[in-house]
Amino acid sequence: GAGVSQSPRYKVAKRGQDVALRCDPISGHVSLFWYQQALGQGPEFLTYFQNEAQLDKSGLPSDRFFAERPEGSVSTLKIQRTQQEDSAVYLCASSRTKGRAEINYGYTFGSGTRLTVV
Amino acid sequence: KQEVTQIPAALSVPEGENLVLNCSFTDSAIYNLQWFRQDPGKGLTSLLLIQSSQREQTSGRLNASLDKSSGRSTLYIAASQPGDSATYLCAVMNSGNTPLVFGKGTRLSVIA
Repeated sequence: GAGVSQSPRYKVAKRGQDVALRCDPISGHVSLFWYQQALGQGPEFLTYFQNEAQLDKSGLPSDRFFAERPEGSVSTLKIQRTQQEDSAVYLCASSRTKGRAEINYGYTFGSGTRLTVV
Repeated sequence: KQEVTQIPAALSVPEGENLVLNCSFTDSAIYNLQWFRQDPGKGLTSLLLIQSSQREQTSGRLNASLDKSSGRSTLYIAASQPGDSATYLCAVMNSGNTPLVFGKGTRLSVIA
């Protein structure tokens, strides 16, 4: 597609509910990142995929957070047993970067999913 | 650990003014630096990307400079317009394909 697509745009979840957030990166983009942006803050890194391999998940705040990209394209961020502190905008970004320390063309971000846990 | 700071946190200017947004980072060994725009309730739009070997990039009324040795970047907006009102985020990458580290942003309001 022309850009990075995220769905749903908005999600309201009751505390304790599981949620799944979807990211469709730009076709052919190798790298995919998830970020979490709390209100009034800059985005913070959650996890990174290169094709289907999850190379870095150091930013995931707890074991309730899980991400996958099974075929190296679409990615899903799953949050189990949501808590109020999980309320944030979840941003996905992709890049056509060919590999670590090689040419990087910058990232393209999606519009995000705004998650509100009540 | 890389930390990115943006000053000021908020800025309000009359239409037509030229303005400068500042970004500083603690680890000067960066791979590149990127400026983004974020409108309320929206995602991030990339404005300018400066590779570590470059000093500046220009796009229309926007000019971004990079001084790696001092750990600073500035975003210059010429002849500001109400449509420029948004939050501007600075982000650095420490090495190829590592996560971006963001500042908290500068919230800009351009008053007609």
